[in-house]
Amino acid sequence: SQQGEEDPQALSIQEGENATMNCSYKTSINNLQWYRQNSGRGLVHLILIRSNEREKHSGRLRVTLDTSKKSSSLLITASRAADTASYFCATDASGGAQKLVFGQGTRLTINP
Amino acid sequence: EAGVTQSPTHLIKTRGQQATLRCSPISGHTSVYWYQQALGLGLQFLLWYDEGEERNRGNFPPRFSGRQFPNYSSELNVNALELEDSALYLCASSFNQGGFGQPQHFGDGTRLSIL
Repeated sequence: SQQGEEDPQALSIQEGENATMNCSYKTSINNLQWYRQNSGRGLVHLILIRSNEREKHSGRLRVTLDTSKKSSSLLITASRAADTASYFCATDASGGAQKLVFGQGTRLTINP
Repeated sequence: EAGVTQSPTHLIKTRGQQATLRCSPISGHTSVYWYQQALGLGLQFLLWYDEGEERNRGNFPPRFSGRQFPNYSSELNVNALELEDSALYLCASSFNQGGFGQPQHFGDGTRLSIL
């Protein structure tokens, strides 16, 4: 089974609103990453947060990590039509296997 | 700087045939990863190569195999193709720094369709 599970599976909001996506995982991790995938394309790395970090920012993106709850959230502020994509969390399990385990993703639609 | 490139973009095969997918990593990256993205199943880790060696393997049958060449490019071979092998196959590359976690950079994939 997948390590990461995103919630919600689909999210539709108006341009300019904020979008929040959540990710839960099952085992101890070294780090957690968020990726974006536009339809039919490869994944684009957004942000990496390590297990000893609680919050990280990159432009309009804010990621939080709660290792006690085994969960993470991705906040996109002031959404734009170009943010329409699928968003995946991926965990790098403890042990240094460098094997990313992806969740099923959240399909985000930004309506103009 | 060129990104990760994959070829071919699309590949159509019939059941029982063999498919070869190719990947060129970003210059300087020594690690190459392969993932399968089948409809409804999300991204599944297939293989990880680094410095020419297979370092980790996902839960796939042995007919999925690959190799990494001295220039760090990689091939994924799928033998005895089955209908459920139809998927987008994504290759990614990264630096390998001892398992401390590196962002992976993805190509746009090869769409493999099995008829």
